[in-house]
Amino acid sequence: DTAVSQTPKYLVTQMGNDKSIKCEQNLGHDTMYWYKQDSKKFLKIMFSYNNKELIINETVPNRFSPKSPDKAHLNLHINSLELGDSAVYFCASSRERGLGYTFGSGTRLTVV
Amino acid sequence: AQTVTQSQPEMSVQEAETVTLSCTYDTSESDYYLFWYKQPPSRQMILVIRQEAYKQQNATENRFSVNFQKAAKSFSLKISDSQLGDAAMYFCAYRSRSGGGADGLTFGKGTHLIIQP
Repeated sequence: DTAVSQTPKYLVTQMGNDKSIKCEQNLGHDTMYWYKQDSKKFLKIMFSYNNKELIINETVPNRFSPKSPDKAHLNLHINSLELGDSAVYFCASSRERGLGYTFGSGTRLTVV
Repeated sequence: AQTVTQSQPEMSVQEAETVTLSCTYDTSESDYYLFWYKQPPSRQMILVIRQEAYKQQNATENRFSVNFQKAAKSFSLKISDSQLGDAAMYFCAYRSRSGGGADGLTFGKGTHLIIQP
């Protein structure tokens, strides 16, 4: 029944590793997003993906890459993890702009 | 670029009382959407209320209401009859109607709301 589901909920990994976070939505939404929430709780958009169009926030390092196998999935791949990548990552989706987003429950990534 | 400012890092209110959380924003657009999201300790982001800028009537959802002042670019959230379950981080957010960029929500830094029993 979960509308937007992310896995895993927690991820601890060493610097330099490559990891992925999966996201799936069963709402039939057209657009999916990835957000990063830092240690001060500030939320910032990383990517949006709609109809095969990927829009990237210019501040996101190219070590981060979203991949969408189909309309219901938008996975986040991170290469060469750094300590500063430690954060909570949220997946979200929306149908229409004014209705707001539905968020996943977040993935807490800790890089050691 | 749009910015959203929440000037109260933390607010405290007695249970059953009313509290108002402040939010101001800066934009050159005339049509947009505003939202309040709640993030309890579970970290789930929950939509509390939304407002369309072209509507003058303030949105309400049960105990939650907003005071939308378009000219002043202010969008405050009022929580009436505060309950222990209202304790959370509250984020104000802006979304352009016309899109552009990463087409995302622009968030404020949040207000941590504490409910005193």
